[in-house]
Amino acid sequence: DTGVSQDPRHKITKRGQNVTFRCDPISEHNRLYWYRQTLGQGPEFLTYFQNEAQLEKSRLLSDRFSAERPKGSFSTLEIQRTEQGDSAMYLCASSELGGDSSNYGYTFGSGTRLTVV
Amino acid sequence: RKEVEQDPGPFNVPEGATVAFNCTYSNSASQSFFWYRQDCRKEPKLLMSVYSSGNEDGRFTAQLNRASQYISLLIRDSKLSDSATYLCVVNRGATNKLIFGTGTLLAVQP
Repeated sequence: DTGVSQDPRHKITKRGQNVTFRCDPISEHNRLYWYRQTLGQGPEFLTYFQNEAQLEKSRLLSDRFSAERPKGSFSTLEIQRTEQGDSAMYLCASSELGGDSSNYGYTFGSGTRLTVV
Repeated sequence: RKEVEQDPGPFNVPEGATVAFNCTYSNSASQSFFWYRQDCRKEPKLLMSVYSSGNEDGRFTAQLNRASQYISLLIRDSKLSDSATYLCVVNRGATNKLIFGTGTLLAVQP
């Protein structure tokens, strides 16, 4: 499989629990992005890695959220003390860094749908 | 005000119709532009990039007006399979961070 993989596809958790999602990008892509999407909205940027370095974090990413990308390969997104407002689709995407990188679109994974009850 | 604005629709059109979606963006530093398609409960997928000279891919034509900060997508001869949400997307540049509009829902009716 040469696409972006996300795991799990669905997660139901009780309020206050911690959850962790995993993303495996396309192997030759060195940029990795996390987005969150709620019903009726477009994806909203959360954070971005170039290789293992986390270069940008959105103000949407509260201190309950943390993301890592050890060794510049897969990435994890952890949400601590989940709240009902965290219910959303969490999308991971990767892209190349090329000579004209600004023109590259992303390849998205299928997403992890989180429901906090 | 959102950085990328789209009419959320829905646009209900009969098969075979031509439909146009418009989008405006507020950040003049935006460098690249895209249309993504998103089916219900699926991930967004790149439909096409948008270039200043305008570009066409089969039944789909995209236009960019940098002076007006306006992007459009035209779909000719609509098919039932075109029913989806169409997301207008801009890229701020160096980080390749994409900013998405809320999407426009298209429903093609038989």
